[in-house]
Amino acid sequence: DGGITQSPKYLFRKEGQNVTLSCEQNLNHDAMYWYRQDPGQGLRLIYYSQIVNDFQKGDIAEGYSVSREKKESFPLTVTSAQKNPTAFYLCASSGDLAGGTPSTDTQYFGPGTRLTVL
Amino acid sequence: AQSVAQPEDQVNVAEGNPLTVKCTYSVSGNPYLFWYVQYPNRGLQFLLKYITGDNLVKGSYGFEAEFNKSQTSFHLKKPSALVSDSALYFCAVRVSAGNNRKLIWGLGTSLAVNP
Repeated sequence: DGGITQSPKYLFRKEGQNVTLSCEQNLNHDAMYWYRQDPGQGLRLIYYSQIVNDFQKGDIAEGYSVSREKKESFPLTVTSAQKNPTAFYLCASSGDLAGGTPSTDTQYFGPGTRLTVL
Repeated sequence: AQSVAQPEDQVNVAEGNPLTVKCTYSVSGNPYLFWYVQYPNRGLQFLLKYITGDNLVKGSYGFEAEFNKSQTSFHLKKPSALVSDSALYFCAVRVSAGNNRKLIWGLGTSLAVNP
């Protein structure tokens, strides 16, 4: 069963703690993305990675960090420097079509992680 | 600046009536345009995309969208709305800078279909 998984579904963080959100995909996609969603603000890009061992900052990277050591995994760490981390976090991936046709960058999303700061 | 606008925060329609959710864009070059739907506390689901070719694109769940280059619009439509279509809808456009490509997103439109 192909797709993108995110864990945990709900996460609670105490102030001053770092937490890591997991994102795994078995779609063989090269590119992966992390978004933050707040009510009324749509999706805001945190980080993205278009190939293993490389990633770029998005629009709101401050207070977050990522790694891309494996093609299928793109974990996001919310550090204590992120002052308002309570939000819904979405991971997505995109990749080449079957037969090597270049990607149209259609993104496929995981179910999300809701992070709450206590 | 490259951008996507969804001018309506909320759209209300009666079940069985046609629905339209509006999207306009500003991007250099030929646009790749997308529509997604999000149900409460869920991830986004891909509905349809326009890359090239026919201006009328058909997608999942009976939705379609019309690309209008002169008006820089990509409105989402459905001939007959269902209560189960009630959700949050996002329009997006691909932008690229060198080898880096990403989607920029509208703020979303909440669709309410009333029985």
